[in-house]
Order: sequence, then structure tokens, then C-alpha cells
Amino acid sequence: EIVLTQSPGTLSLSPGERATLSCKASQSVSSTYLAWYQQKPGQAPRLLISDSSSRATGIPDRFSGSGSGTDFTLTISRLEPEDFAVYYCQHYGSSPFTFGGGTKVEIK
Amino acid sequence: EVHLVESGGGLVQPGGSLRLSCAASGFTFSNYEMNWVRQAPGKGLEWVSYISSRGTAIYYADSVKGRFTISRDNAKNSLYLQLNSLRAEDTATYYCARGAYCGGDCYSDAFDIWGQGTMVTVSS
Repeated sequence: EIVLTQSPGTLSLSPGERATLSCKASQSVSSTYLAWYQQKPGQAPRLLISDSSSRATGIPDRFSGSGSGTDFTLTISRLEPEDFAVYYCQHYGSSPFTFGGGTKVEIK
Repeated sequence: EVHLVESGGGLVQPGGSLRLSCAASGFTFSNYEMNWVRQAPGKGLEWVSYISSRGTAIYYADSVKGRFTISRDNAKNSLYLQLNSLRAEDTATYYCARGAYCGGDCYSDAFDIWGQGTMVTVSS
């Protein structure tokens, strides 16, 4: 089973700042099978990025994903008020399709 | 518009059973792999189960293997999760989520559509 470890647990930033979120895998993950999701309180998760760097439909270009092997990154170039939320990474190449523990991006 | 709507959650005693349903609309349900994902109160996301587009391949998380059963009825555009031998640690919001498109060849894909979730509470 691939274990995904996200860091930091909480990121305190101001609107307009850059956010860098990390997702480290316990073993190499094909970059084709790494996704990022955003979840706001009381809402279902929303797909942001698939294939480690492909934005989902309707996702603004301030969101970008990168990485390979065991190290992946989600970057939000300039935080908008609606971006404060919890972010999860997930691998989906083979079962079990594990999620990371999440990073909360909160307003500083 | 593409929609997934879960139902069937509720309060159940430890050891009890529940059947969750997920109604799909706005897309050709039979062409997609489907999943169940759960989230305990205040906790992160946990993948629970997967079923292929035709129901021929099924996977479970170790935490639910032998107790939960996933199934689908493509004629009714519906996904199901039978929960048996429920435990307090199964308390969570359960989401159905759409996976890969399998109109021709199937390739793994992220979960692009999610329902709003249905809450399951296991308590005496």
C-alpha cells in the first residue's frame, strides 16, 4: 500500500500570497496517477489536478501541480479568499487508492 | 448536468446493517468506474471501495473487507454499498465518486464527480 504524507498540516497565509503544499509517497508513484482535491467545510471534495499536473475543467490557472517519483507539489500562485480550504493528494493507479492526510490552508 | 446523489444513511446500532445508494444522472453511468469514499467527522478522506464499469472488478480497503459489499445496477444508473457488521469507527459521511471513463479501453483516472454525501452514524 502506498502511504501519502502531506505537509505541512496547516499553512497560515494571507490573500495574495503563494501557497506550496507537499505530498510525499512511501514508494514511487507514476505521475500519471496523482491527483489533488480541494474541500471546503460542509462540501464534497472537488478535483483540482489529475495526472500530477493537469488542471480539471474550470480550475483557475493559479493552481498548478508538479512532481514525480515520490515527491509532488500543489502550488497556488496567489491565494484568493475562496482558496482557504483543506487540500488532499491521492494516488489512483492501483488499489488501494489512498489519500494523504490533508493540508489546511487558513487565513493568517 | 452531471449529478451523483447518495441516500440511505442514518443511525444504526453496532453490529447492524445499512444499504447506501448513489443515483447517477447526466452521463452514461455504465461507461464509468465508480468508488465509495468516506470521511469520519473532523478527519480526512478514506477510500472505501471500487467497482469497474461492468461490475467485473471490485476492490475494498482492508478496513471494510469482508463487511462491506459494493455493487451497481447499470440499468438503473445506480451504485450501492451494503454495510454489515457496523462498528463505531465506520461512523462517517459516505461519498460516491466517479472514476475512469471506460467507453473503450480503461485507464485509471481521478475522481472527477462527487455526490454530496450521506451520513452514517454507528452508535448504541
